[in-house]
Amino acid sequence: QITLKESGPTLVKPTQTLTLTCTFSGFSLSTSGVGVGWIRQPPGKALEWLALIYWNDDQRYSPSLMTRLTITKDTSKSQVVLRITNMDAVDTATYFCARSWYSTSSPFEYWGQGTLVTVSS
Amino acid sequence: SYELTQPPSVSVSPGQTANITCSGDKLGNKYACWYQQKPGQSPILLIYQDYMRPSGIPERFSASNSGSTATLTISGTQAIDEADYYCQAWDNIVIFGGGTRLTVL
Repeated sequence: QITLKESGPTLVKPTQTLTLTCTFSGFSLSTSGVGVGWIRQPPGKALEWLALIYWNDDQRYSPSLMTRLTITKDTSKSQVVLRITNMDAVDTATYFCARSWYSTSSPFEYWGQGTLVTVSS
Repeated sequence: SYELTQPPSVSVSPGQTANITCSGDKLGNKYACWYQQKPGQSPILLIYQDYMRPSGIPERFSASNSGSTATLTISGTQAIDEADYYCQAWDNIVIFGGGTRLTVL
């Protein structure tokens, strides 16, 4: 059974750095082709893709946010970490992690439950 | 930058067919997938590689992708299908459509 779960602070202040962790089970990020991505959704708005990391440490970022994003993996812990610098109120959103594969035909087939992050002073 | 455009809302009567479109430049040359999201829940993958259904997804969900438009079709729409639907494709990066709220009247 494949599961993913996001964890991190629920409240951050403007200008702070947000660190989110995706802990997964049922698959390994050492398996060729596997990837884990982050997607966010502001309240009442659409999904927005943020970043992806693959088994081979290939990292992809949303062009509009890439200067603020860092995605890393810890294969031994079955975790993927996303850091977002200089948080602002517009970054208030539910953040999801999801599993994908190394292919332009690959969807996000398994999703975590999401974690709501509020940016406020 | 590449964009996927969806109608903000679609309404359908129970038992009827709902079509939700997703438009993008030469989208038919890319693979499209579709997600369903109900309030307070995570998205669920409905369709991948244009028309493939993951196991467990009812047959009333089907899809196609040609030219510049991908279409999700829900046949015999049920009240439980009321949700937000998102298309997604790749253009060197992941792109999501803006979402369509399906209302079953």
